[in-house]
Amino acid sequence: NAGVMQNPRHLVRRRGQEARLRCSPMKGHSHVYWYRQLPEEGLKFMVYLQKENIIDESGMPKERFSAEFPKEGPSILRIQQVVRGDSAAYFCASSLYRGFYNSPLHFGNGTRLTVT
Amino acid sequence: QQQVKQSPQSLIVQKGGISIINCAYENTAFDYFPWYQQFPGKGPALLIAIRPDVSEKKEGRFTISFNKSAKQFSLHIMDSQPGDSATYFCAASTDAGNMLTFGGGTRLMVKP
Repeated sequence: NAGVMQNPRHLVRRRGQEARLRCSPMKGHSHVYWYRQLPEEGLKFMVYLQKENIIDESGMPKERFSAEFPKEGPSILRIQQVVRGDSAAYFCASSLYRGFYNSPLHFGNGTRLTVT
Repeated sequence: QQQVKQSPQSLIVQKGGISIINCAYENTAFDYFPWYQQFPGKGPALLIAIRPDVSEKKEGRFTISFNKSAKQFSLHIMDSQPGDSATYFCAASTDAGNMLTFGGGTRLMVKP
């Protein structure tokens, strides 16, 4: 039973380029969450999606960042015109249904984005 | 209102000792308090979680203590082992909420 799969594991982009981060949730999971972790810091919530819908994007920067979770295929976190401050580890998590206690979050191993 | 404060930032414990990590929250609506363990290069993995209807929950060597009136909860690792060396994150949420709010993390090192 595969866990949450994220790719690529490492991504290097030059300033101004676009970064696309992919997340395949655990089998049967339709709730996806994206978190960002800066070096030596905790995880900061970015966005919560349920198939084809953005439920909560209160943690997403207003510009350059977008997320989607289409009916078919992985969830995508897209960062346009990257800047050095975007360098971080981006983690995706999934859950089977709503209600954390009975359906806890399962995290992937993250994508480490480096902007040069 | 949404913050979760975690301490200490780092902790060194001898093998066999007790590791204690503390968290405090502000939002009284929070009713789900998990602890996650993260090894370098890996994603966080759920270790143990508690709801405020109990004051303590134990799973093996790991225990969560919860103090609702003080809005604090802590993780105790008994008989700490070198393999427990990792970063630990507390988190809080409403059970049906849209997100977990994480503490800043504690880097634990258990010396042999």
